[in-house]
Amino acid sequence: GENVEQHPSTLSVQEGDSAVIKCTYSDSASNYFPWYKQELGKRPQLIIDIRSNVGEKKDQRIAVTLNKTAKHFSLHITETQPEDSAVYFCAASKGNTDKLIFGTGTRLQVFP
Amino acid sequence: DTAVSQTPKYLVTQMGNDKSIKCEQNLGHDTMYWYKQDSKKFLKIMFSYNNKELIINETVPNRFSPKSPDKAHLNLHINSLELGDSAVYFCASSQDVVETQYFGPGTRLLVL
Repeated sequence: GENVEQHPSTLSVQEGDSAVIKCTYSDSASNYFPWYKQELGKRPQLIIDIRSNVGEKKDQRIAVTLNKTAKHFSLHITETQPEDSAVYFCAASKGNTDKLIFGTGTRLQVFP
Repeated sequence: DTAVSQTPKYLVTQMGNDKSIKCEQNLGHDTMYWYKQDSKKFLKIMFSYNNKELIINETVPNRFSPKSPDKAHLNLHINSLELGDSAVYFCASSQDVVETQYFGPGTRLLVL
C-alpha cells in the first residue's frame, strides 16, 4: 500500500524566513496531495492541495510543488509569522474510494 | 453553524468499559471518516463510510465498531477499552476522498 514519508520532523525558523517541508510517496498511482495544518489542541485543517496534473500551486505565502517522476512534493512557506507555528501534515491518495495516507507530521516553530 | 461536530470532547474511563463517540456533519457530504491520532501525533485512518456504506476498514481491532445511521452521522463504539486506546479520535467528512476533508474538534479519550 501507499507509504508517505515526511521530513523534517521538527523545523525552527526565525520570523520572516522561509520554511520548506518535504514528502515522498511510494505509489505512483497517487494523484491527490493535500497539506493540513494542525495548531496545538485543534483540529487539522486543509491549507493547500495539488493534483497530479499540476506541478505547482500557490496561495499567498504558501506554495506546493509536485515532482511526479521523483514521487515527492513539498510545502513552501515564505515570510513566516509566529502564527504559522503548528504541525503540518502532508498526505496522498489515489482517489475514488482510496484512503488518504498522512505523513508523520512536521512541527514548525517560528520565533519572533 | 458547526460543520463537523463530535461528542463528547473529553472521555476518561476505566479499562474494560464500553464507550461511544458520536459525530455529525451538516455539510451534506457523502463520505465520513474516523481517524486516530496517537501521542506522537500520527494521524491514521480507521474507517470510512460513503452514503452509509463501509468503504474503508483498516486493520483495527474488532472491539471498534462504526455505525452510520444516515449519511450525516457516523458513530464509533469501542468495547472492552484498553490502555492503548488512549488517543484523540477525529471524525471528518468530505464530498469525495480527493476533496477537502473537514475535521471535527476531536474526542480526547483517556483509558485508566
